[in-house]
Amino acid sequence: GALVYQYPRRTICKSGTSMRMECQAVGFQATSVAWYRQSPQKTFELIALSTVNSAIKYEQNFTQEKFPISHPNLSFSSMTVLNAYLEDRGLYLCGAPGQGYAEQFFGPGTRLTVL
Amino acid sequence: GDSVTQTEGLVTLTKGLPVMLNCTYQTTYSPFLFWYVQHLNEAPKLLLKSSTDNKRTEHQGFYATLHKSSSSFHLQKSSVQLSDSALYFCALSHGSSGNKLIFGIGTLLSVKP
Repeated sequence: GALVYQYPRRTICKSGTSMRMECQAVGFQATSVAWYRQSPQKTFELIALSTVNSAIKYEQNFTQEKFPISHPNLSFSSMTVLNAYLEDRGLYLCGAPGQGYAEQFFGPGTRLTVL
Repeated sequence: GDSVTQTEGLVTLTKGLPVMLNCTYQTTYSPFLFWYVQHLNEAPKLLLKSSTDNKRTEHQGFYATLHKSSSSFHLQKSSVQLSDSALYFCALSHGSSGNKLIFGIGTLLSVKP
């Protein structure tokens, strides 16, 4: 079956430092990967949509300078949170679409705590 | 632009009672609607999905019908259980959105004994 793994599951970083998280698709080809953030007490916000061999599209309020993304092949994507601050806390999900319904398979998420 | 509205932030019910969580959406495209459930400290998991007008879809006792005429996809269950306590998110996608989901704000369902 189709699975999405994310690493690490939890991480803590000091304010002003950077943190890289990874997303791996197993059992299917992730031609596109969407990165979301769920801040405390909030819903999921789309950060960016990355498609292999195409430009990464960032949503309003998110930039490549802050959240650089790499999507080198059909099974792997990574995103870095640069200069993390308190407002960057939350659960970061990566999702890759399945067939048909435009449904996304989500990984378990990377929970970022910023001290 | 596209949007999803969930009117209830918190729904508290006694075990065994029926529940309906509201979800309405706005889009100019042909929609795909989803319900995701998120238990404490976990990632969201897909509960239901539909793109077919007026067809009921069911899973794990939950059901929903996409009504394009009213732009709604309300989630229902006839008898809630303690284990149903979780956050429920309604989400929208469409073929032109590039495989991205637009989430509603979420409804916390709390089931009491």
